[in-house]
Amino acid sequence: AQSVTQLDSHVSVSEGTPVLLRCNYSSSYSPSLFWYVQHPNKGLQLLLKYTSAATLVKGINGFEAEFKKSETSFHLTKPSAHMSDAAEYFCVVSDLDGGSQGNLIFGKGTKLSVKP
Amino acid sequence: DAGITQSPRHKVTETGTPVTLRCHQTENHRYMYWYRQDPGHGLRLIHYSYGVKDTDKGEVSDGYSVSRSKTEDFLLTLESATSSQTSVYFCAITETGDTEAFFGQGTRLTVV
Repeated sequence: AQSVTQLDSHVSVSEGTPVLLRCNYSSSYSPSLFWYVQHPNKGLQLLLKYTSAATLVKGINGFEAEFKKSETSFHLTKPSAHMSDAAEYFCVVSDLDGGSQGNLIFGKGTKLSVKP
Repeated sequence: DAGITQSPRHKVTETGTPVTLRCHQTENHRYMYWYRQDPGHGLRLIHYSYGVKDTDKGEVSDGYSVSRSKTEDFLLTLESATSSQTSVYFCAITETGDTEAFFGQGTRLTVV
């Protein structure tokens, strides 16, 4: 079965500094991977997705992620944090293994705080 | 925004009562999902559907049932609500099994 591990439950950065949110996955197939963002009391919004095309994926709001098969990682980065980036971020893998059709497996989330 | 509507958005109910949450989509997507979100657990899959009358269990299906009698509606029923089912419930849809998901705004359910 596939799984996702978000290595940090909480990350705090200063405005204008880089953001790194770490995600590792396990998969016996070539997975589809996603990052979603959830602002307080809101639903989830797709930031970016990897579906076996380019390994460096660019998303909305200046975020990007790099798929590294050798490291089974899909870390999310942004060069310069903005106050509006404060939210919870979820790394997600699409589970097509074992006949589970279309099951999206979520990491436990990383809360990003941005200090002025 | 994708056309997904959850109802109700908020509900308080008593232990032991049945509760039904509704998810309605206007995108004609094949797959629909119910997740619950709890602090420290991320989103956990309750049940999902891969077509009309085709459903399967997820990670935390005990105490829940679902029905999908038409493409656009996916109902989640708590047969006898318990306090452990107090949570925020999200409906999601995908076009195929590995495409991006679109989420509803969530239903906050409190069981007292």
